[in-house]
Amino acid sequence: AQTVTQSQPEMSVQEAETVTLSCTYDTSENNYYLFWYKQPPSRQMILVIRQEAYKQQNATENRFSVNFQKAAKSFSLKISDSQLGDTAMYFCAFILPGRVSNFGNEKLTFGTGTRLTIIP
Amino acid sequence: DAGVTQSPTHLIKTRGQQVTLRCSPKSGHDTVSWYQQALGQGPQFIFQYYEEEERQRGNFPDRFSGHQFPNYSSELNVNALLLGDSALYLCASSRWYISNQPQHFGDGTRLSIL
Repeated sequence: AQTVTQSQPEMSVQEAETVTLSCTYDTSENNYYLFWYKQPPSRQMILVIRQEAYKQQNATENRFSVNFQKAAKSFSLKISDSQLGDTAMYFCAFILPGRVSNFGNEKLTFGTGTRLTIIP
Repeated sequence: DAGVTQSPTHLIKTRGQQVTLRCSPKSGHDTVSWYQQALGQGPQFIFQYYEEEERQRGNFPDRFSGHQFPNYSSELNVNALLLGDSALYLCASSRWYISNQPQHFGDGTRLSIL
């Protein structure tokens, strides 16, 4: 079974600073996908960034980037130039592609989340 | 382009009652997954529907059941409600044959059991 661990329940940072959120996972599979989702108080789960395990290059989306260390099974999220709108719960999630699981679309396995507060 | 829509937004029930939650997937999506998110926790997978059949199921009792309709919308039914069923219920949609495409989530239904 796959597990995802987020060891930082809460973090806070001053506006415009950089913050890194940690995530580790455990799987015996070689091919999988990793995601960071953001959940603001409005409750909707919003995709921030995703990484395919077969790609060595770290994914980047504007101010958001990841540090993917496959051997260490680590997948951290870096937020640069943090903004007040970044305040939210952040969840790391893992999914196996369908050809591995024999299903067309696997389930997402989430971590317990990190509550990030951006301080004005 | 409408995203994933869920109804109702909030629901209050008492122990032993039954509840039905509804979800309409994003346009173009044919697969619906349901997740339970307890307070302060990450979402936990309940089950997934494709072609009106339950395709996968997480570690949830039979009190949790679902249905998918020909228009791809879905319902989550919970019978004999327990206090521990209080949670945010999230619906996510995707396309069956594109497994690396991220699931799109609705705003959820907050279920409170008294």
